[in-house]
Amino acid sequence: DVKVTQSSRYLVKRTGEKVFLECVQDMDHENMFWYRQDPGLGLRLIYFSYDVKMKEKGDIPEGYSVSREKKERFSLILESASTNQTSMYLCASSLGGSDGFSYEQYFGPGTRLTVT
Amino acid sequence: TQLLEQSPQFLSIQEGENLTVYCNSSSVFSSLQWYRQEPGEGPVLLVTVVTGGEVKKLKRLTFQFGDARKDSSLHITAAQPGDTGLYLCAGTIQGAQKLVFGQGTRLTINP
Repeated sequence: DVKVTQSSRYLVKRTGEKVFLECVQDMDHENMFWYRQDPGLGLRLIYFSYDVKMKEKGDIPEGYSVSREKKERFSLILESASTNQTSMYLCASSLGGSDGFSYEQYFGPGTRLTVT
Repeated sequence: TQLLEQSPQFLSIQEGENLTVYCNSSSVFSSLQWYRQEPGEGPVLLVTVVTGGEVKKLKRLTFQFGDARKDSSLHITAAQPGDTGLYLCAGTIQGAQKLVFGQGTRLTINP
């Protein structure tokens, strides 16, 4: 059974704190993604990675950074959390290749982050 | 501005009824996917369509990709309470290394 796991289901942090969200996949996928999901806006891509130590900005990278030191692990970092980063964060992985975005994306269960 | 517009955003119907959800854009997509998301879970892929005019069936669900590859629809026949969830369309824009999602359609099927 394929799996994408996220370190926390719920997280409450204070404004200004540094926040780490961890994602691990066991499918040996090349591509990994971080999205945030907000009501009425769907999923918006924050960052993605197509290889170890590689990263690309998505649509809304401001206020976020990422790290991919191992193929199976992709971390999202909020350097200084703000209230407008309160959201559901979803990690996903997929096969790679030049058409990697057409491949099925496997999602984790999400982390609901609240910044107060 | 949303690249992929889904309609309706909310739909509540009785068990046994039919429904259609639409996903529209002014952009051309090289492929389009439909996902379903249940509460507390991540989205799960239902289908991928890649050819203009393509129709795919998954039991009571019928997916169609528009001839011009700018739109798609999901039709559910004889809806059941188990169909309840958030339905998301997502497309790969031609020439762009990017998957864009619609806002989602929250579907509730009442017993």
